[in-house]
Amino acid sequence: KNEVEQSPQNLTAQEGEFITINCSYSVGISALHWLQQHPGGGIVSLFMLSSGKKKHGRLIATINIQEKHSSLHITASHPRDSAVYICAVPSNYGGSQGNLIFGKGTKLSVKP
Amino acid sequence: DAGITQSPRHKVTETGTPVTLRCHQTENHRYMYWYRQDPGHGLRLIHYSYGVKDTDKGEVSDGYSVSRSKTEDFLLTLESATSSQTSVYFCAISDGVERSAQHFGDGTRLSIL
Repeated sequence: KNEVEQSPQNLTAQEGEFITINCSYSVGISALHWLQQHPGGGIVSLFMLSSGKKKHGRLIATINIQEKHSSLHITASHPRDSAVYICAVPSNYGGSQGNLIFGKGTKLSVKP
Repeated sequence: DAGITQSPRHKVTETGTPVTLRCHQTENHRYMYWYRQDPGHGLRLIHYSYGVKDTDKGEVSDGYSVSRSKTEDFLLTLESATSSQTSVYFCAISDGVERSAQHFGDGTRLSIL
């Protein structure tokens, strides 16, 4: 059974700081997802990656398939980045059908 | 934004009553999913659908049933609601499998008293 661990659970940063959130998983995967859950509850897909690195604005996601580890970085953090960041990988319950298993999330708070 | 609408957005009901949550999509995506989100847990899959009338169980399916009679609608039913089913429920859609992103609805906050 694939398991997902995220760290840290909670993170407080000052505006402008460089942020790193980590995700480890136990079973080899085809792709890993990073999602963002806004304080209002909405969930948005940020990245899906299977190798290397992807960048979108100030967000960078990296993955090391051999080490079963991914990181989400935020450069020049801003209070509007405050959210819960969630890592997800294919599940044993029909992973071939796109089913995902999710980490518990990292709650990020960026102070002005 | 992907066209996904969940209804109702909020509901309070009593133990033992039936409850149906609706997920409606306008994207013509093949795959649809129902999740629940609870404090201390990640999102957990309840049921999913890979086509009209094609559904299967997820990790936490006990006490829930689903139906998909049309591509655009995926219904989640609690036949006899219990307090342990108080949660926030999210619907998601995807047009593919392992390498496709999932797009989420805004969630339904359900309270069972």
